[in-house]
Amino acid sequence: ETGVTQSPTHLIKTRGQQVTLRCSSQSGHNTVSWYQQALGQGPQFIFQYYREEENGRGNFPPRFSGLQFPNYSSELNVNALELDDSALYLCASSLPEGQGLRGYTFGSGTRLTVV
Amino acid sequence: GIQVEQSPPDLILQEGANSTLRCNFSDSVNNLQWFHQNPWGQLINLFYIPSGTKQNGRLSATTVATERYSLLYISSSQTTDSGVYFCAVSYSGNTPLVFGKGTRLSVIA
Repeated sequence: ETGVTQSPTHLIKTRGQQVTLRCSSQSGHNTVSWYQQALGQGPQFIFQYYREEENGRGNFPPRFSGLQFPNYSSELNVNALELDDSALYLCASSLPEGQGLRGYTFGSGTRLTVV
Repeated sequence: GIQVEQSPPDLILQEGANSTLRCNFSDSVNNLQWFHQNPWGQLINLFYIPSGTKQNGRLSATTVATERYSLLYISSSQTTDSGVYFCAVSYSGNTPLVFGKGTRLSVIA
């Protein structure tokens, strides 16, 4: 069974630009969540998708948006990048309760640097 | 929202020593996981343990849900155990994980 894969692994962008990060969920997992981890901090929840619908959002502005596709893969888009957006972005997939939940599985992350 | 506190924040061990990491949480939860974040940033799932005790090799974990805490035990530590250990909880399987600030473990030879 394949794990969660994210691309790209590293990215450097200029302030004001837009970025798209990608995530392929673990086989059979239909829920995808995105987290932002600043240096020295624990991951912070951005939003979650289930069956292509956003079903939960953390305290992030609307310029953070996402998509989930029919194959359960997902994208995170960030517009008008700011220096504080520099962080490790983690994607996690899971099965909903009642379908054999055994917790969340995380990808290796995308390290975004905004200059 | 749920508050998660981990202790100690930093820990330095000699190779071969044992350690106990603690996670306190502020509300009843149905999901608790322990993760190890390696130097490349990947969060490795160590245990899914909303209650009870589990063991995997040199690692074991215990969650006492009624008292809202969990413990991660590392025995005979190795340099490869170095990294940051996170505890994360959620109300249910479909609600977001709330992470503690982590315990940074350094194992020296």
